[in-house]
Amino acid sequence: ELQLVESGGGLVQPGGSLSLSCAVSGFTVSSNYLSWVRQAPGKGLEWVSVIYSDGSTHHADSVKGRFAISRDNSKNTVYLQMNSLRAEDTAVYYCASSAVTIPHTIGAFDIWGQGTRVTVSS
Amino acid sequence: DIVMTQSPESLAVSLGERATINCKSRRSVLYSSNNKNYLAWYQQKPGQPPKLLIYWASTRESGVPDRFSGSGSGTDFTLTISSLQAEDVAVYYCQQYYTIPPWTFGQGTKVEIK
Repeated sequence: ELQLVESGGGLVQPGGSLSLSCAVSGFTVSSNYLSWVRQAPGKGLEWVSVIYSDGSTHHADSVKGRFAISRDNSKNTVYLQMNSLRAEDTAVYYCASSAVTIPHTIGAFDIWGQGTRVTVSS
Repeated sequence: DIVMTQSPESLAVSLGERATINCKSRRSVLYSSNNKNYLAWYQQKPGQPPKLLIYWASTRESGVPDRFSGSGSGTDFTLTISSLQAEDVAVYYCQQYYTIPPWTFGQGTKVEIK
């Protein structure tokens, strides 16, 4: 079964750090494209970061320099390291894959995890 | 960045009636070399993650009922639910994946039963 399971969310103070994990089953992270997409309370969807199959990464301007996406091929897991957190980073963070079930659709999200909630507050 | 704008923000439709959602991109998402529109539609029900409904602007994902259809090209796109069912109550998002990131979403359209 193709599955993404996020973990690591929680309450953190402004300026703090948090690391999210996305455990993947049914396909390999090293051969695919994995993104983080977030949704602030009552708001829409915002793409955050992606790691390509070749290991290259991209981040939204809103998190550039503060967030970093990475992966551990041996654990088949993708991570999002979030530093210098702000109140506006409060959101549910979803892990999502591209082009796993539908070829050549890099950037469209075919599989989603259930999300993990991050709250940045003092 | 390619800005995506959806309309309306919400709509209420009677059961069995048609629902139409529009999505406009500030730049064309049609890739001329393969004649494909890099546009997807998602459905998000309360408390759930989004679900991919349509990609390439008009191709239904496997398992999506045929009452959902996508159309349009270039900068103007439409998601149509031909006969609204109770289980279709959700927020719908369009998204472009034309460029290298950032990939961008519309602000969402909430569909309710009248």
